Amino acid sequence: QVQLVQSGAEVKKPGASVKVSCKASTNTFTDYHMHWVRQAPGQGLEWMGWISPNSGGTIYAQKFQGRITMTRDTSISTGYMELSGLRSDDTAVYYCASAGMVVWGQGTTVTVSS
Amino acid sequence: DIQMTQSPSSLSTSVGDRVTITCRASQSISSHLNWYQQKPGKAPKLLISAASSLQSGVPSRFSGSGSGTGFTLTISSLQPEDFATYYCQQSYNTPLTFGGGTKVEI
Repeated sequence: QVQLVQSGAEVKKPGASVKVSCKASTNTFTDYHMHWVRQAPGQGLEWMGWISPNSGGTIYAQKFQGRITMTRDTSISTGYMELSGLRSDDTAVYYCASAGMVVWGQGTTVTVSS
Repeated sequence: DIQMTQSPSSLSTSVGDRVTITCRASQSISSHLNWYQQKPGKAPKLLISAASSLQSGVPSRFSGSGSGTGFTLTISSLQPEDFATYYCQQSYNTPLTFGGGTKVEI
């Protein structure tokens, strides 16, 4: 079963960008869409979008259009989610998920603070 | 966007109780409904997909039902490890959307 390992916690200032990585443990990386979901402190789950590791095609939630970019590097089985123009309400745990959202990364805490 | 409404938002219960959580979609999503369990500080865990299909390794006390706009998650006999927050999610179309969550507590 694939495992997903995310990059470490980040602290950013308002207006900055953050790029979170998600590395898959097996060569099934290109078999499934990679989703990104975030969770603000004490809040529910919010889907941000997905990327097809095979084609590189993406679908983003309208809320993040213009601020989000999902990419992948198939040579190292890693997906990336970059969010720009950070605001305090972007403070959240960011998760990647794959294999039909059966497999999730451990989460990456992003804190936006001046 | 499809809105997902869960109820209740929280419930107090006891070990051994039968628990039912409901999820309503703002439009028909056929059976494209998933249920997740999340414990504090952990990633969500997929319990049920396609409204009623139990994921491998998930105890049989969990079950899901429904189609169209109304769905339920039932825990037949609550165990101590089941105290958590449960979310429904529609996968009918993008953006994928989650319900607000139901916190099951003692």
